[in-house]
Amino acid sequence: SYALTQPPSVSVAPGQTARITCGGNNIGSKSVSWYQQKPGQVPVVVVHDDRDRPSGIPERFSGSNSGNTATLTISRVEVGDEADYHCQVWDSSDDHPGVFGGGTKLTVL
Amino acid sequence: EVQLVQSGAQVKKPGDSLTISCKASGFTFTTYVIGWVRQMPGKGLEWVGIVYPADSRTKYSPSFRGRVTVSADKSITTAYLQWSSLKASDTAMYYCVRRSGYIHSWGQGTLVTVSS
Repeated sequence: SYALTQPPSVSVAPGQTARITCGGNNIGSKSVSWYQQKPGQVPVVVVHDDRDRPSGIPERFSGSNSGNTATLTISRVEVGDEADYHCQVWDSSDDHPGVFGGGTKLTVL
Repeated sequence: EVQLVQSGAQVKKPGDSLTISCKASGFTFTTYVIGWVRQMPGKGLEWVGIVYPADSRTKYSPSFRGRVTVSADKSITTAYLQWSSLKASDTAMYYCVRRSGYIHSWGQGTLVTVSS
């Protein structure tokens, strides 16, 4: 079955750029979404359809997807960005609901 | 306003049956997919299953197929997740979600605890 691989943790200093990857076989042919989850809270979508941002999500959050890797980039990282980030893909032709990556803990040093 | 309101926390014993619910409002129930996502303590997100309320078609993740039942009643815009025999390993938070390709909205979560 299809699997997505994320690094367990990424650390970055405030003001720097964080890049969180999501690896999967030919993931570039699929639509990727990213969810931010802070402790004790419900996840929130920050990027969908590879690179689209919902209203209310800062422009500092951006996404890309090509080949075997999708990437969530957070520019000018703030302390408030510290959270778990989960990638997700789904193909309507699949006989299952979709797949999440294992999640990445972003620590702002 | 889109809302997904889930039923309350449950404490059950191994072997018990359980149904949790998700009441949807603020959107046309039959034009979206409703799904269930599991999050075990300290772990990541996992798809359990989805239902198309328009025709009640379902899809399950391989690890949940045969263990749970996902359903929806479009007359009362409510989705359900059902177990016939719970295990301790079913202890987790379960989220109801609304999606097309990506997840638009999340319920508040239902904590299911299974312990003898």
